[in-house]
Amino acid sequence: LAKTTQPISMDSYEGQEVNITCSHNNIATNDYITWYQQFPSQGPRFIIQGYKTKVTNEVASLFIPADRKSSTLSLPRVSLSDTAVYYCLVPGGATNKLIFGTGTLLAVQP
Amino acid sequence: DTGVSQDPRHKITKRGQNVTFRCDPISEHNRLYWYRQTLGQGPEFLTYFQNEAQLEKSRLLSDRFSAERPKGSFSTLEIQRTEQGDSAMYLCASTPGGYGEQFFGPGTRLTVL
Repeated sequence: LAKTTQPISMDSYEGQEVNITCSHNNIATNDYITWYQQFPSQGPRFIIQGYKTKVTNEVASLFIPADRKSSTLSLPRVSLSDTAVYYCLVPGGATNKLIFGTGTLLAVQP
Repeated sequence: DTGVSQDPRHKITKRGQNVTFRCDPISEHNRLYWYRQTLGQGPEFLTYFQNEAQLEKSRLLSDRFSAERPKGSFSTLEIQRTEQGDSAMYLCASTPGGYGEQFFGPGTRLTVL
């Protein structure tokens, strides 16, 4: 399974755009890149998933360069409620199990 | 609410006791996963079911741990002879299959005294 590396923490202010980059150098041809969000004492929640180029949904965008060795989660105009841990994952194998790292703790300040 | 549910939400037990947790996945989701999360760490994979078949178990799942999904619907995770190191949040997730989103439950927080 592909190993991912992302910053341990990031700080931002309300209304700013936040970009969290993840590296996954040994991603396989068939692997998708997935991001989850987790608030304290809750289960993780799926944010977005992509394979290449750009994916956008109602909460985030995911940018994936052609070599797919990294990806960037973009959160537009963050609010205090976006303070959470964000995990970059490359699910894989026959079972599609998720291998979480320590994630990126995003702290949004007023 | 048709999401993944877990019961109980909190469990406090004494070392050496047995505990059992239940997970009810989203209806018709044939894949079910158990994860464990300790403070400051990301969730760790424990085991995976496809319907009633347990197809993968992590090395983290010692012989004191057992999981079942008897009818391919709800699942139970039992820990025998609990130890203080078992204190953690136990998370359940389900998915209809493939490489899609995993839907997580709220977790069961276990405290072993």
